[in-house]
Amino acid sequence: AQSVTQPDIHITVSEGASLELRCNYSYGATPYLFWYVQSPGQGLQLLLKYFSGDTLVQGIKGFEAEFKRSQSSFNLRKPSVHWSDAAEYFCAVGAGTNAGKSTFGDGTTLTVKP
Amino acid sequence: SQTIHQWPATLVQPVGSPLSLECTVEGTSNPNLYWYRQAAGRGLQLLFYSVGIGQISSEVPQNLSASRPQDRQFILSSKKLLLSDSGFYLCAWKGDSAYEQYFGPGTRLTVT
Repeated sequence: AQSVTQPDIHITVSEGASLELRCNYSYGATPYLFWYVQSPGQGLQLLLKYFSGDTLVQGIKGFEAEFKRSQSSFNLRKPSVHWSDAAEYFCAVGAGTNAGKSTFGDGTTLTVKP
Repeated sequence: SQTIHQWPATLVQPVGSPLSLECTVEGTSNPNLYWYRQAAGRGLQLLFYSVGIGQISSEVPQNLSASRPQDRQFILSSKKLLLSDSGFYLCAWKGDSAYEQYFGPGTRLTVT
């Protein structure tokens, strides 16, 4: 079975600074990879996804993520963080033929300092 | 375009009372549907999923049940709520794209 690890429970960055959120997965082959964002009291919104092809994928709100097979990682990045980016971020993995279920990491809470 | 609705948005219920949360999807047909629970400060726990009308799979044993009476309707129920049922309940659907899920706005349930 696949698993997802988000090593950082909480990250604080200053507005305008760059951001990198880490995600490591465990799966025997290349899985489908996702990043979701959740603002307080709301549902999750898909930021970006990787299925195959170019290992650097662009998403909404200026986010990008890079798939590194050798490191089993799919880290999320943003060059300049805005205060509105404060939220919780979830990495997810989809793999196998299991009714389309995804496995989610425990999330990373992002705080943005003014 | 597709949309997903959940209601109610918030709910406060006493211990031992019944529960019914509803999720409906518009703009798609035969979606896979999922119920998740998110405890305070925790990640997502998949409770149930459904690949079609009347087809329910449970991920964890618990005090809850799910039903799918129509193609685009997914209901989460309980006969008697426990304090531990408190949390944020999210419904999601998956269309033709493999594994990509779309979430509803959630229901905040507080059991008192």
